[in-house]
Amino acid sequence: AQKITQTQPGMFVQEKEAVTLDCTYDTSDQSYGLFWYKQPSSGEMIFLIYQGSYDEQNATEGRYSLNFQKARKSANLVISASQLGDSAMYFCAMTAKAAGNKLTFGGGTRVLVKP
Amino acid sequence: KAGVTQTPRYLIKTRGQQVTLSCSPISGHRSVSWYQQTPGQGLQFLFEYFSETQRNKGNFPGRFSGRQFSNSRSEMNVSTLELGDSALYLCASSSYVASGGLNTGELFFGEGSRLTVL
Repeated sequence: AQKITQTQPGMFVQEKEAVTLDCTYDTSDQSYGLFWYKQPSSGEMIFLIYQGSYDEQNATEGRYSLNFQKARKSANLVISASQLGDSAMYFCAMTAKAAGNKLTFGGGTRVLVKP
Repeated sequence: KAGVTQTPRYLIKTRGQQVTLSCSPISGHRSVSWYQQTPGQGLQFLFEYFSETQRNKGNFPGRFSGRQFSNSRSEMNVSTLELGDSALYLCASSSYVASGGLNTGELFFGEGSRLTVL
């Protein structure tokens, strides 16, 4: 079974600053994938970034980067140059080889960007 | 390219009734999965369909069921509604790009169907 833990229920960040959202995971699978999603108040889950367990380099997508530390089983999301539109819930999720497309989500972190 | 479309967006039902939610995936995507989101339990996987076959199922009672049609559109049904079924139901579609048995494709979500049970 897979488990995702997000220990920060909520946080404030100043506009234009960087913010790191923590995510730790647990799985017995050697082959797994890690995802980050953004959920604004509208409810839609927006894909941000993906990291495979065998990827040697940290994933980056524009202002988003994933700090993957396999030995520590952590997959923190870094958002650089925060914008007001970044205010939302952020979910870390994972899937494993045995789970196919099934995503296991963490509890989420609410980010509020202050002007 | 049209995104994932879920209907209806909002609905209110009473206990004991049944409800059917619809999801139209992105064109060409054959995998559709459903998730329930509640404040107490967070996001939980319901089931996944691929080419009209249920491929994976979460830990939900038999009142929750689903199906997928030949055009990949999917429906989920909840019978004998309970107050605890009030939730945001999210549908996700994927092209299922597998790498060594692991799906590495993005899952694209719809905006969800918000169900309130009174």
